[in-house]
Amino acid sequence: GAVVSQHPSWVICKSGTSVKIECRSLDFQATTMFWYRQFPKQSLMLMATSNEGSKATYEQGVEKDKFLINHASLTLSTLTVTSAHPEDSSFYICSARGAGGLDSPLHFGNGTRLTVT
Amino acid sequence: SQKIEQNSEALNIQEGKTATLTCNYTNYSPAYLQWYRQDPGRGPVFLLLIRENEKEKRKERLKVTFDTTLKQSLFHITASQPADSATYLCARSNSGYSTLTFGKGTMLLVSP
Repeated sequence: GAVVSQHPSWVICKSGTSVKIECRSLDFQATTMFWYRQFPKQSLMLMATSNEGSKATYEQGVEKDKFLINHASLTLSTLTVTSAHPEDSSFYICSARGAGGLDSPLHFGNGTRLTVT
Repeated sequence: SQKIEQNSEALNIQEGKTATLTCNYTNYSPAYLQWYRQDPGRGPVFLLLIRENEKEKRKERLKVTFDTTLKQSLFHITASQPADSATYLCARSNSGYSTLTFGKGTMLLVSP
């Protein structure tokens, strides 16, 4: 089945530094990947849609200059949290749609727990 | 706005019973609903998809219904097991081109 690998699984950083999170589709090509953020006991909130070879599409209220997305290949998308602050501490999850068409389910990575101190 | 509402209270049931989780949506019917399982500290795992024109879908011990009159989907796990304990997320999509909107999820606890 389609596997999405996310790295790192957790990271602790100091306020003001930047953190990069990688999302890879291991056995399929993903022209589109999605980045979500999830706060405790809350739903997954879509942050942005990452498109291979073009600019990401950000959801309303998400700062594109703070959350940099790069989708340079069909199997890799990265999310960089720049100048991180404690309020950016959250669970970040990437996903990609499988090969079954536009209504096929999403395959999720196992998430990255970011803690900003 | 289009919302997905799931019962925020945890559902506690005994092993062997049928668990029923509810997902309500607002506004017009989505093209389809999806159900995912999420374990603590992990990403969601896809379980079932049901389209607007389908009333019921089954997969092994799982069953999903879609009632456009009630604007509701029910998710059933028959012969529940402690290993079924997890948070179950409902998500809606208006078309294949649109993104998924997730509910907050309902935690299921199956006791032996």
